[in-house]
Amino acid sequence: GQNIDQPTEMTATEGAIVQINCTYQTSGFNGLFWYQQHAGEAPTFLSYNVLDGLEEKGRFSSFLSRSKGYSYLLLKELQMKDSASYLCAVRDSNYQLIWGAGTKLIIKP
Amino acid sequence: ETGVTQSPTHLIKTRGQQVTLRCSSQSGHNTVSWYQQALGQGPQFIFQYYREEENGRGNFPPRFSGLQFPNYSSELNVNALELDDSALYLCASSQWGNTQYFGPGTRLTVL
Repeated sequence: GQNIDQPTEMTATEGAIVQINCTYQTSGFNGLFWYQQHAGEAPTFLSYNVLDGLEEKGRFSSFLSRSKGYSYLLLKELQMKDSASYLCAVRDSNYQLIWGAGTKLIIKP
Repeated sequence: ETGVTQSPTHLIKTRGQQVTLRCSSQSGHNTVSWYQQALGQGPQFIFQYYREEENGRGNFPPRFSGLQFPNYSSELNVNALELDDSALYLCASSQWGNTQYFGPGTRLTVL
């Protein structure tokens, strides 16, 4: 079967750094996506990895290891507005997105 | 460039009724994917349309059906509504094989 695992909830302090992990087992791999979703809103695209390594985009970075079926999203200089759920999704061999349940990130002052 | 739009924003129906949700894709996109998201869960893939043809379907019963029109907008139809169909329904558009961009969603409540 297809499976994507993420921690359910994480807490971090404003100004700090947090790493959200994602492990996956899917039928085929055509890229991994990270989305941010604020409560009651739609997911918004953060990052895309298809090759191993680190992709950096401002305060957000995403890492991928295809051999380990592993990714992480790194958020630096945390701000209160970063409080949201972070969703990991893998595009499988049929070019369909398989989603994790999301990690709820709570930022404390 | 116009983003993805969905209508209605909220909807309340009763068990057994039918509902149609609408999605206008972003300009230049030819693929629409529909998802159901229950509270506290990740999106669940319902189906995907590419150039007016369904080309992928998740684990949803046949009472969930859809259409894509020549302008690449799309509809999701759900027949014989059940209480468990209460959820946020998300539409995402993309160029085939590229990043999906989501509309604001339709919150469906079934009583």
